[in-house]
Amino acid sequence: KAGVTQTPRYLIKTRGQQVTLSCSPISGHRSVSWYQQTPGQGLQFLFEYFSETQRNKGNFPGRFSGRQFSNSRSEMNVSTLELGDSALYLCASSLLGADNNSPLHFGNGTRLTVT
Amino acid sequence: AQKITQTQPGMFVQEKEAVTLDCTYDTSDPSYGLFWYKQPSSGEMIFLIYQGSYDQQNATEGRYSLNFQKARKSANLVISASQLGDSAMYFCAMREANAGNNRKLIWGLGTSLAVNP
Repeated sequence: KAGVTQTPRYLIKTRGQQVTLSCSPISGHRSVSWYQQTPGQGLQFLFEYFSETQRNKGNFPGRFSGRQFSNSRSEMNVSTLELGDSALYLCASSLLGADNNSPLHFGNGTRLTVT
Repeated sequence: AQKITQTQPGMFVQEKEAVTLDCTYDTSDPSYGLFWYKQPSSGEMIFLIYQGSYDQQNATEGRYSLNFQKARKSANLVISASQLGDSAMYFCAMREANAGNNRKLIWGLGTSLAVNP
């Protein structure tokens, strides 16, 4: 079974641009979550989608948005990029997402550098 | 208030020895789940082990075991017979049951483990 696939692996953008990251979950997983990881802040929750609906959202500005398609694939978009958006963006899928013991399965991440 | 605390920013261990990575948590929810993840330099977050708050026994998965002390709110990861490939960042995370649909994981800042040959 294929794991979580994130594309692209690396991105370099300049301030003010926008970027779209893609995530394909494990087959059969309907929950997709996004996290931002930086050295200083650790992992910060961005949002979670389940069956094409955003179920939960973290404390990020409106420049960060996402969506989920009917095949459970998800995209996140960051508009008007700032230097502080440079980070590793991790996508995770889970089978149900509602149970305590449902682990998240992560992709390799997309490393975004904003110059 | 920080809910997951990993007090060891960095740890060293000799190959083939055991190592314990500390994790303490804070919650008023009687039902919760605790997770440990490994993140090698490649960036992928790898699920290692899970412990439920009502589980009677400490979780074990191969060389990984979780020393769960509920009263002390600690969930330390024990890696036995360390291997060079264990060198990575290790994260402790928690999910609270009463968070309802807010099932995000709350993460510690991680511990960097280096295994010496």
